[in-house]
Amino acid sequence: DQQVKQNSPSLRVQEGRISILNCDYTNSMFDYFLWYKKYPAEGPTFLISISSIKDKNEDGRFTVFLNKSAKHLSLHIVPSQPGDSAVYFCAASAPQGGKLIFGQGTELSVKP
Amino acid sequence: DTEVTQTPKHLVMGMTNKKSLKCEQHMGHRAMYWYKQKAKKPPELMFVYSYEKLSINESVPSRFSPECPNSSLLNLHLHALQPEDSALYLCASSFGTGIQPQHFGDGTRLSIL
Repeated sequence: DQQVKQNSPSLRVQEGRISILNCDYTNSMFDYFLWYKKYPAEGPTFLISISSIKDKNEDGRFTVFLNKSAKHLSLHIVPSQPGDSAVYFCAASAPQGGKLIFGQGTELSVKP
Repeated sequence: DTEVTQTPKHLVMGMTNKKSLKCEQHMGHRAMYWYKQKAKKPPELMFVYSYEKLSINESVPSRFSPECPNSSLLNLHLHALQPEDSALYLCASSFGTGIQPQHFGDGTRLSIL
């Protein structure tokens, strides 16, 4: 049973445009959500997070939106750059414990 | 540059060997984690250490044995592994186990012959 889902395995975007990556979850106990970026042969790099008491968090070109009623979060990257090309994982955790549950990942390709 | 350092980067071992994976962080984090990632799959949690005590074991087979000698170090001892254990093993750390981002190392690529 996949508790965190990223339904788009891949996404292609033109440089300078907006990239929107989506993530759905099923467990209403999740209270913290994160986005990670992963290049080949490297570990996941933390990008941005949001707690369940907020609906938006922004850091430079990256904004994460949380819709708790829909159990949906999204990552917006504006403007997209070729260096953003990587696999993006969303992850969620429930109170205490520290266990992160990851989605399957979306491979973003930003073309010049 | 990652602030979580994992060694070795690559490891090839036979099914009867004993080896250890090492992880080190100097960010003052008190929680450390082991994850396993198979090709084209997301990372899956194996173990969580909080303040040097094992707090979560995700029903991992006993051929994997974690150890946390101090707050900066985390080891994963391997013995009698199976070919299906070949994967990328990722270490992560965070300030605590609550609403804190986990920071990952670059992993050890393990191949079991």
